[in-house]
Amino acid sequence: AQKVTQAQTEISVVEKEDVTLDCVYETRDTTYYLFWYKQPPSGELVFLIRRNSFDEQNEISGRYSWNFQKSTSSFNFTITASQVVDSAVYFCALTILAGTASKLTFGTGTRLQVTL
Amino acid sequence: DGGITQSPKYLFRKEGQNVTLSCEQNLNHDAMYWYRQDPGQGLRLIYYSQIVNDFQKGDIAEGYSVSREKKESFPLTVTSAQKNPTAFYLCASSPGLAGDGEQFFGPGTRLTVL
Repeated sequence: AQKVTQAQTEISVVEKEDVTLDCVYETRDTTYYLFWYKQPPSGELVFLIRRNSFDEQNEISGRYSWNFQKSTSSFNFTITASQVVDSAVYFCALTILAGTASKLTFGTGTRLQVTL
Repeated sequence: DGGITQSPKYLFRKEGQNVTLSCEQNLNHDAMYWYRQDPGQGLRLIYYSQIVNDFQKGDIAEGYSVSREKKESFPLTVTSAQKNPTAFYLCASSPGLAGDGEQFFGPGTRLTVL
């Protein structure tokens, strides 16, 4: 069975601070995908990034960066120079492909509050 | 525009009544999913469907039922057997084998049992 742990329930930062959201996962499969989703107050999940288990390269997209380390089963997400619009709940998720469907296992989420 | 629609956005029901949540997608995706989200918790899988006329139970299927008569539609019925149905419900879809695991989500339906 898969498991995703987001130990940080809530984080508060002041605008322009850097913040890292932690994600630790467990799976016995060698082929899997990891995701980060953002959930703003409206409720809809917004896709941020996908990473497959064979690609450990870190990725940067604007103010966002992701650090994937298989050795520690972690897939951490850093926001540089945070902004108020970054306030949301962020979910880390893991999937293995089961037939034609991908069953996502979500962490419990980290609520990020960015204040002025 | 391609996407997933869920209706209604807010739904109220009296205790003991069944209620059906709508989910439609025009992305031509094979697989569709229903998740439940409770405050402070992640999403939990209720049911999923890989193809038309086929669906599988997820982690918390008790008290729910689904159908998949058309590729585009995957309605969820919350029955009176569901003991604590008040929650936020999210529908999603994925391309299936043609994709790489990413799921696309609808805007959600917030169900409140009075």
